Amino acid sequence: QSVLTQPPSASGTPGQRVTISCSGSSSNIESNTVNWFQQLPGTAPKLLIYNNNQRPSGVPDRFSGSQSGTSASLAISGLQSEDEADYYCAAWDDSLNGWVFGGGTKLTVL
Amino acid sequence: QVQLQESGPGLVKPSETVSLTCTVSGGSIGSYYWSWIRQPPGKGLEWIGYIHYSGSTKYNPSLKSRVTISVDTSKNHFSLKLSSVTAADTAVYYCARPRHSGSPYYVMDVWGQGTTVTVSS
Repeated sequence: QSVLTQPPSASGTPGQRVTISCSGSSSNIESNTVNWFQQLPGTAPKLLIYNNNQRPSGVPDRFSGSQSGTSASLAISGLQSEDEADYYCAAWDDSLNGWVFGGGTKLTVL
Repeated sequence: QVQLQESGPGLVKPSETVSLTCTVSGGSIGSYYWSWIRQPPGKGLEWIGYIHYSGSTKYNPSLKSRVTISVDTSKNHFSLKLSSVTAADTAVYYCARPRHSGSPYYVMDVWGQGTTVTVSS
């Protein structure tokens, strides 16, 4: 079981807006920033969002993140077929004194 | 542009120790906290631990008794040893570097391509 909780799957049609949730606790999401990774099949995770809502250079502004209390969410607007991937949330955990991840959400573009 | 490359044996027998190395190219291993993360087949990511270039380490408590991470600054690489492996340790093992140096709190934004470790007799 992962420390952070994500829905196992999500789906949408091209052009739609989808959101993926990530639930944690006071020792991780509530007290530290949340990050999101995108993982395409057979590849390493790619940083998509850091510090709750910041995008690394090259990440389209269709991707956005938010955090409130012990929960966070990733939103993808204008869904495209190439967005089909697994998405993971991650945060520093003060109790573990290390990194914790969500179990991942498989996004399907219908 | 810094790049990371994992290397290892691929196949390990149960109860043995697996050793993996992450070679850093295009940049220095200095000043950063370097992490190992693994992903079992079809499952999520698990942080294993990190090492500072100075040699200080922190391990995930769930693996602490079996993990050793070391660094060789002269070779610009760091290594992972996992002892007493079982089938549950079968996974893709990634090495990763955080966005900024000087703290382990920065999220990892540079990842190796991963190396597969299969535990089987």
